[in-house]
Amino acid sequence: AQSVTQLDSQVPVFEEAPVELRCNYSSSVSVYLFWYVQYPNQGLQLLLKYLSGSTLVKGINGFEAEFNKSQTSFHLRKPSVHISDTAEYFCAVSHSFLFGGYNKLIFGAGTRLAVHP
Amino acid sequence: NAGVTQTPKFRVLKTGQSMTLLCAQDMNHEYMYWYRQDPGMGLRLIHYSVGEGTTAKGEVPDGYNVSRLKKQNFLLGLESAAPSQTSVYFCASRPARETYEQYFGPGTRLTVT
Repeated sequence: AQSVTQLDSQVPVFEEAPVELRCNYSSSVSVYLFWYVQYPNQGLQLLLKYLSGSTLVKGINGFEAEFNKSQTSFHLRKPSVHISDTAEYFCAVSHSFLFGGYNKLIFGAGTRLAVHP
Repeated sequence: NAGVTQTPKFRVLKTGQSMTLLCAQDMNHEYMYWYRQDPGMGLRLIHYSVGEGTTAKGEVPDGYNVSRLKKQNFLLGLESAAPSQTSVYFCASRPARETYEQYFGPGTRLTVT
């Protein structure tokens, strides 16, 4: 069975500082990995995704993530955060359609990023 | 395109009442999903549909029913609401099988008293 663990429920950080949001997953088959962002009172928006190829994935708003198969991790990073990055971030995993998963996304519990001036 | 829309945005129900949440997408997506979001638990899949006229159970289907009579609409029904169903409900849709991104609606906040 697949599962996703987001290691920090809350991450406070000062504006212009770097940030890393950690995500580990468990799966017995090949996976696809996603980071979504949820701004207050809004739906989820895709930040970036890893399907195959380069393990360093760049997304919107200056975020990037690195897929590490040996450590089963997909940590999200940004070198310099802004106040507007304050939101909840969700890591999600889905296994290949070929394995009959119908692209069901399994979500982590979320990490609340609070950027302070 | 409006994308994925959800109706209503907010609702308060009394225990035992019934209601239907409507999800509509104008992107001609085949797959549609209903999730619930609870604090500290992320999003959990309630039901999903891989095409018009088909539905399947997700992780937490008990107490909910769904229907997909038209490709663009996916309805989530609560026949007899319980306080445990207080949550934020999100609908999502996805296009062809080669693309794995799901597109989410803005959510419906439901409170059951």
